[in-house]
Amino acid sequence: AQSVAQPEDQVNVAEGNPLTVKCTYSVSGNPYLFWYVQYPNRGLQFLLKYITGDNLVKGSYGFEAEFNKSQTSFHLKKPSALVSDSALYFCAVRPYTGGFKTIFGAGTRLFVKA
Amino acid sequence: EADIYQTPRYLVIGTGKKITLECSQTMGHDKMYWYQQDPGMELHLIHYSYGVNSTEKGDLSSESTVSRIRTEHFPLTLESARPSHTSQYLCASSDSSTTDTQYFGPGTRLTVL
Repeated sequence: AQSVAQPEDQVNVAEGNPLTVKCTYSVSGNPYLFWYVQYPNRGLQFLLKYITGDNLVKGSYGFEAEFNKSQTSFHLKKPSALVSDSALYFCAVRPYTGGFKTIFGAGTRLFVKA
Repeated sequence: EADIYQTPRYLVIGTGKKITLECSQTMGHDKMYWYQQDPGMELHLIHYSYGVNSTEKGDLSSESTVSRIRTEHFPLTLESARPSHTSQYLCASSDSSTTDTQYFGPGTRLTVL
């Protein structure tokens, strides 16, 4: 079965430190990969995506993500965390087969302490 | 900023009432979605549409129904609301001819008493 896993329910990091939010997936073919963010009491916003090409993609608010085909991972990263980055982050995968329906991970809550 | 709108933003109603949650997008996207999300929790796809007159049930069983008579409009209806329907409902749309990036509305927070 096709799936997306975000192994950490919560990630805690101090402001100014680098952060990583993990995502692994199990789908066939070459999927499209996405990260979305949900700030408190707001809807989801698109953050970045990987379609093809360079394995390191850059997105909004200084975030980037690294695609690793052999490990089927798409980890979200930021070199220096801000308190305002505290939010709920969702990884999503759009398979190339099986109805083209996007699969969302369960979400990881990021807390950045001042 | 994505042009996708949901009304109402907040709704408190009594058990047994019929309600319709509205969702509209002005981007001309062919695909639209409804998700149910308890606060701070994972998303559950309850309905989606590939285009006009095309609707499918999602992964989470839902007592709601949807229609897609116009490209831009994708309303969700609950014939008889129950307290178990209390949740946040998020609408989204995407363009399948590009990368299928989903754009989300602000959500409707529903409370059924």
